[in-house]
Amino acid sequence: DAGVIQSPRHEVTEMGQEVTLRCKPISGHNSLFWYRQTMMRGLELLIYFNNNVPIDDSGMPEDRFSAKMPNASFSTLKIQPSEPRDSAVYFCASTRGRQETQYFGPGTRLLVL
Amino acid sequence: GEDVEQSLFLSVREGDSSVINCTYTDSSSTYLYWYKQEPGAGLQLLTYIFSNMDMKQDQRLTVLLNKKDKHLSLRIADTQTGDSAIYFCAGSISGGYNKLIFGAGTRLAVHP
Repeated sequence: DAGVIQSPRHEVTEMGQEVTLRCKPISGHNSLFWYRQTMMRGLELLIYFNNNVPIDDSGMPEDRFSAKMPNASFSTLKIQPSEPRDSAVYFCASTRGRQETQYFGPGTRLLVL
Repeated sequence: GEDVEQSLFLSVREGDSSVINCTYTDSSSTYLYWYKQEPGAGLQLLTYIFSNMDMKQDQRLTVLLNKKDKHLSLRIADTQTGDSAIYFCAGSISGGYNKLIFGAGTRLAVHP
C-alpha cells in the first residue's frame, strides 16, 4: 500500500499567486480530510469529504481557499490569491469509512513570500 | 467544543520510560488517539484506545485512560533515540464522522 500521496512536498511562491496542493488517498478509502499545521494554531481541520462530497467545510479559513474532490482517487486544495499568513504545512488524510482511523500523508510545506 | 491539552516538552534518558499526558474535555469521544510526527514527516498513527477501555498495551506502548478525570497517557518503555518526535493526542467528537481534535503536541527529546 502506497499510503496517502501528496504533491508537491514543498512549495515556495510569492504573495498573490495561486497555489494548488494535491492529494491521492489510499485506495479503497472513501473519506478524505485536509488539515493545516502551524506553530501558532497547531493542527486544524480545513475540510472533510465523504464519497467525494464535501461534508464539513467549516474550517476553511476564507473564500481564498477552495477544495475539490472530482473522483475517489484525487483531491485538490487551492489558495487564490495566496498570502504570507497561509504559510504552513498542509496535510491530507484518508479513512476507509466515516468512523475509521485517519491515515496521514507526508504533507506539503508551503511558504508564501 | 472539544479541547485537548498536552504538555509541550519532555526530556528523558535513553532506556528510561517516557510518560506523555493529555487531558480532554469531550467525554463523548468514542476513540482517543496517539499520533507521532517525526521532523519533516506526516503524522503516523501509533495507537488508539476505545473509550470503554482503561488500558491498552502494544509492545513498548501502554495507553491509560481515566474517563472520570478525562486524562489520557502514553507510556513508552525503554525509550530509544528513535522515539524522539512530537506526539499528538487526539479525541474524536460526535457529529456523524470521526472528526479529530488534536492537542498542541508534546516534543519528546531522548538523550544518551
